[in-house]
Amino acid sequence: DTGVSQNPRHKITKRGQNVTFRCDPISEHNRLYWYRQTLGQGPEFLTYFQNEAQLEKSRLLSDRFSAERPKGSFSTLEIQRTEQGDSAMYLCASSFGPGGYTFGSGTRLTVV
Amino acid sequence: AQSVSQHNHHVILSEAASLELGCNYSYGGTVNLFWYVQYPGQHLQLLLKYFSGDPLVKGIKGFEAEFIKSKFSFNLRKPSVQWSDTAEYFCAGTGANNLFFGTGTRLTVIP
Repeated sequence: DTGVSQNPRHKITKRGQNVTFRCDPISEHNRLYWYRQTLGQGPEFLTYFQNEAQLEKSRLLSDRFSAERPKGSFSTLEIQRTEQGDSAMYLCASSFGPGGYTFGSGTRLTVV
Repeated sequence: AQSVSQHNHHVILSEAASLELGCNYSYGGTVNLFWYVQYPGQHLQLLLKYFSGDPLVKGIKGFEAEFIKSKFSFNLRKPSVQWSDTAEYFCAGTGANNLFFGTGTRLTVIP
């Protein structure tokens, strides 16, 4: 499968714990995006990388959230001290230049 | 501010009915618009996109959309829906560095 891969598919964690998600984009794509989707809503932009540089962060991305893309390949999204409001589907997408976004299947986070 | 809006939250149709889902955009500069579909339990899939040129865009699975600049609209259409079209449909536009989405329209097709 040469699409965008996200792991894990599901994550259940206790409030206050840290979690980390991984995204492997399509190999020739230089841009990588993280989105969050809650029930009944469209995906909301969190952050964007071009190669290894994080070029934009939404104000939704509080200081408990951090994303990295070392070497411009895979990316990780970490949430520290999780809260129940963090429960959502976290989506990763990649593209080569603007447009042509390909989305992964997402990681569903449940904070209990 | 850049945004797209979808006014139909839930649409219920019988098979073979015609479909039109509304999308209005609000932003200046270059207009790039998309429709994505999300089938139950699956990831977002691109149906079609408009960057420039012919305002009538053909997509996959028999869908099309028309960009009408004077109405700031990019409505999605299909002449005859099938049960398998039951899904969530999202209109989206591009900002400087990201894709921003509408709230989505849930389509239920009754056999």
